[in-house]
Amino acid sequence: QVQLVQSGAEVRKPGSSVNVSCKASGGTFSSYAISWVRQAPGQGLEWMGGIIPIFGTTNYAQKFQGRVTITADESTSTAYMELSSLSSEDTAVYYCARDISSTSSNWFDPWGQGTLVTVSS
Amino acid sequence: DIQMTQSPASLSASVGDRVTITCRASQSISSYLNWYQQKPGKAPKLLIYAASSLQSGVPSRFSGSGSGTEFTLTISSLQPEDFASYFCQQSYSTWTFGQGTKVEIK
Repeated sequence: QVQLVQSGAEVRKPGSSVNVSCKASGGTFSSYAISWVRQAPGQGLEWMGGIIPIFGTTNYAQKFQGRVTITADESTSTAYMELSSLSSEDTAVYYCARDISSTSSNWFDPWGQGTLVTVSS
Repeated sequence: DIQMTQSPASLSASVGDRVTITCRASQSISSYLNWYQQKPGKAPKLLIYAASSLQSGVPSRFSGSGSGTEFTLTISSLQPEDFASYFCQQSYSTWTFGQGTKVEIK
């Protein structure tokens, strides 16, 4: 079965960038989409964007357009999410998830374990 | 973006209780609605997809219903391991989540 393992916690200063990785094992990496979802402390879930590795196509939430870049390396079955111009409001746990598509819905399963990104001066 | 409104925001219940959580969409989303469970410090876990399909391995006490703009997640007999937060998510257009419902022990 598919498992997603993310990189470790990061601390960044305001104005800088962060790059979080998500390595997949099991299944065929290129054949499914990967999405990124974040969760600020004590808050709900927020979809940021996604990629279909086999096509290299990306789709971003309007809120993050211009500030987030999602890429994928098929040779290592790894997806990446880079977020730039960080502020304290970007402090959150960032999750990757397989984005499964059907004719009746799209859903996220499984999820990575999450990566805490702390933005602090 | 489509807004998802969950109710209640929190509830207290006892083991064995029947629990119902509601999710309303700001416009019709057909059956493009999923439910997730999240425990503290853990990633969300898929429970229900396409409004009413039970994810493999999820206990049958969980069920989902609804279409269009109103959806429900029901736990028929609450178990100790079910105390957690629950989120709905629409995948009709630019995926968005409800704000969550925290199920606490009474």
